[in-house]
Amino acid sequence: DTGVSQDPRHKITKRGQNVTFRCDPISEHNRLYWYRQTLGQGPEFLTYFQNEAQLEKSRLLSDRFSAERPKGSFSTLEIQRTEQGDSAMYLCASSPWDVGSEAFFGQGTRLTVV
Amino acid sequence: GENVEQHPSTLSVQEGDSAVIKCTYSDSASNYFPWYKQELGKGPQLIIDIRSNVGEKKDQRIAVTLNKTAKHFSLHITETQPEDSAVYFCAASTDSGGYQKVTFGTGTKLQVIP
Repeated sequence: DTGVSQDPRHKITKRGQNVTFRCDPISEHNRLYWYRQTLGQGPEFLTYFQNEAQLEKSRLLSDRFSAERPKGSFSTLEIQRTEQGDSAMYLCASSPWDVGSEAFFGQGTRLTVV
Repeated sequence: GENVEQHPSTLSVQEGDSAVIKCTYSDSASNYFPWYKQELGKGPQLIIDIRSNVGEKKDQRIAVTLNKTAKHFSLHITETQPEDSAVYFCAASTDSGGYQKVTFGTGTKLQVIP
């Protein structure tokens, strides 16, 4: 399968714990995006990488959130001190270099904070 | 920032009938309008998109129309089939912005009744 891969698919954690999600984009896609999707809503942009550089962060990305893409390939999204409001689907997408090229989404990681 | 409104939130149609989903946007600078289909447990998948230099685009049973003056665009699905059942999202973006600038609507849950 050469699509965008996310791991894990589901994560249940207790409030206050840290969690880390991984995204493997389509090979050779320079751009990588993280989105958050809550029930009944469309995806909301969180952050964006071009190769290893994090070029933009949404105001939705609080200080408890951090994302990395160390070698310009896979990316991780960490949430520290999770809160119930963090419960959502976290989606990763990747696209080629060309602006306006289609972004391909992964299946997402569903986080439940109890 | 951009605001995208989408209606209806749910839509039930008989198999073979047509389905229409409507969206409005607020930012007159937006010039790229993709539509996504999201099946249960999967990430959004691009099904069709339209740019502001055209008023209509078709792809088999799917068509999109765009009215830039009124700032609204619509998705039309003809001869609906049960496999069309999913959540559909419209989105708007300035083409030069990449997918970090894409704003999604709140989604329409389409149910096609056999």
